[in-house]
Formats: sequence, C-alpha cells, structure tokens
Amino acid sequence: QSALTQPASVSGSPGQSITISCTGTSSDVGGYNFVSWYQQHPGKAPKVMIYDVSNRPSGVSNRFSGSKSGNTASLTISGLQAEDEADYYCASYTRSITLVFGGGTKVTVL
Amino acid sequence: EVQVVQSGAEVKKPGESLKISCKGSGYSFTNYWIAWVRQMPGKGLEWMGIIYPGDSDTRYSPSFQGQVTISADKSISTAYLQWSSLKASDTAMYYCARQGLVRGPADYWGQGTLVTVSS
Repeated sequence: QSALTQPASVSGSPGQSITISCTGTSSDVGGYNFVSWYQQHPGKAPKVMIYDVSNRPSGVSNRFSGSKSGNTASLTISGLQAEDEADYYCASYTRSITLVFGGGTKVTVL
Repeated sequence: EVQVVQSGAEVKKPGESLKISCKGSGYSFTNYWIAWVRQMPGKGLEWMGIIYPGDSDTRYSPSFQGQVTISADKSISTAYLQWSSLKASDTAMYYCARQGLVRGPADYWGQGTLVTVSS
C-alpha cells in the first residue's frame, strides 16, 4: 500500500487559517471515515489532533478541525499560532485491515 | 494515569538480533491494541503493524510483513518488536502507541526507542 499524499509544506502568518490535504484512494481515505491527524514537534512523539475524520480528542484546541470529501481528507488550523509550527501526518484505515500514514506536511508560521 | 514506556536506545551491528519493548500501565492492557511505528532519520511516520494483547491477534503492514515480529506478554503488560537479523536500513526511531480500535486513533504514545545499526 502506498503512503497517502500530503503537501510537503504549508505556511501562514499568525492568525491566519491554513489547510493541509491528504489524498488517498477508495481503498483507504475514500472508503472509510477513519482518518486521523497527528502533530509532531521536533524530537517528540506524535500527538493525535483529529480522529474519525472530524472528531477532536479532549484537550485539543478547537482551532483544529477535520473534514473529508471523496478520497481527500483535510486538516484546517484556524487562528494560526507559533506553537502550531510542527510536522502533521494524516493516517487512514485501509481495506487490508491496516493503517497507512501520509508523507507528512511541515507547517511554518511566518 | 495512562502511560506507555519503551525500552532504551540500542546500538547493534548488522546481522544481530534485537527485541525492543513497550510497557503499558494505568489501563487494561489486554483491552487495547498496541501499534508500532517507524520513523527513519529525517523522514515520516510508517505504520508497521499492530497487536491485540488480549488474544495476540496481530496485523502487519505489507511493507513490514516478514521483516519484523510483533508479540506481547499480557502477564507483564508488555509488547515487543523484534528483528532476527538487523540491517543498516533498520536504523530509525521506533514508537509504540495504544489504540482503542484497530482502525485507530493512536491516543497514547511511547517516548520512542532509537535503534542504530552500524558496523
């Protein structure tokens, strides 16, 4: 199975909104509502920010939101803050009863 | 408090075997899946496989099937990732993470185990 496709980098100014896309196929993203998003700061373990396409775990800021259309899922960060600068990965359940990650997107706060 | 704690960094030579561990505490270890994730230096996350300690049901990513073995000892709430013959390309950070369902998400992560394979 191939990794899901994410843009290598996305940037924005403080206070702006940015959106990261995650494109798969009908065998993963498009076939199930089981897409999650992870934030990883340098040298740290990943942290789940969104699960099941659009659900936020307790404690995650409501500035983070998720959606999906067809084979593409999206993570939107609104009111961008300096602390949001990190790598972001999407992950999807697959037809093979496994998970697959996206290649990752580096978010830069200008 | 839920905790997932991994074993320490390892330095090995090509061809050697290795088993790293992941201990869960603060929750019912047998009722949650444990996933393993690889991150090669400067690269992204790769999902390797997952085990359900309650019955040892194990799934592997096609990319890692036959390359590693995932196991668990529920009596000591510990999951394992092992290699029989390491290669230099196995050099990476390895994370374990708890999942309530095989479909995800991974909600609690270990701190990572750095494996370095070098002659």
